[in-house]
Amino acid sequence: GENVEQHPSTLSVQEGDSAVIKCTYSDSASNYFPWYKQELGKGPQLIIDIRSNVGEKKDQRIAVTLNKTAKHFSLHITETQPEDSAVYFCAALGNNDMRFGAGTRLTVKP
Amino acid sequence: ETGVTQTPRHLVMGMTNKKSLKCEQHLGHNAMYWYKQSAKKPLELMFVYSLEERVENNSVPSRFSPECPNSSHLFLHLHTLQPEDSALYLCASSQGDRNSPLHFGNGTRLTVT
Repeated sequence: GENVEQHPSTLSVQEGDSAVIKCTYSDSASNYFPWYKQELGKGPQLIIDIRSNVGEKKDQRIAVTLNKTAKHFSLHITETQPEDSAVYFCAALGNNDMRFGAGTRLTVKP
Repeated sequence: ETGVTQTPRHLVMGMTNKKSLKCEQHLGHNAMYWYKQSAKKPLELMFVYSLEERVENNSVPSRFSPECPNSSHLFLHLHTLQPEDSALYLCASSQGDRNSPLHFGNGTRLTVT
């Protein structure tokens, strides 16, 4: 089955700096890679996703890149703001179910 | 409002109690899921229902019993739980297409004493 590794587990950046979170997956059949943001007291919310036929996708300050050969994908947040502070989860969908990374706690210091 | 509503938000129960978690989705989706979220661990898929039929059961102990009476409602019945079952239980829904994103509720924080 699929196995998703996520790094780092915690990340602290200064407001305005960029943040990068990286994930690797094991199932070469995986073809859908969403990213979720979970704020305190709430459930995970989808912020961006990418499919295996695309190498990069952007949505304002958020971008995701996918390297199918190396089986890794990354989330990039530019010009970070305090409201970006949350736990971020990557996920990969293979032949069976959606597998999640263990999460990255991002703290943006004002 | 997330479109997926879970009740209660918090639940404390003893090991001999019986309780139920409720989930309702207002998104017109045809698949619903239960996930368990424990600290510093990946989300664990427990059950999947598609078109009201259970299509996946990831070796979850029988003290957890799901019920899906229709495509908008999902329950998780709990009985004789253990302290290690304390966690955040998340409900999600999707269109059922394998490439459709999951929409999560805000979860029920369960504490077993």
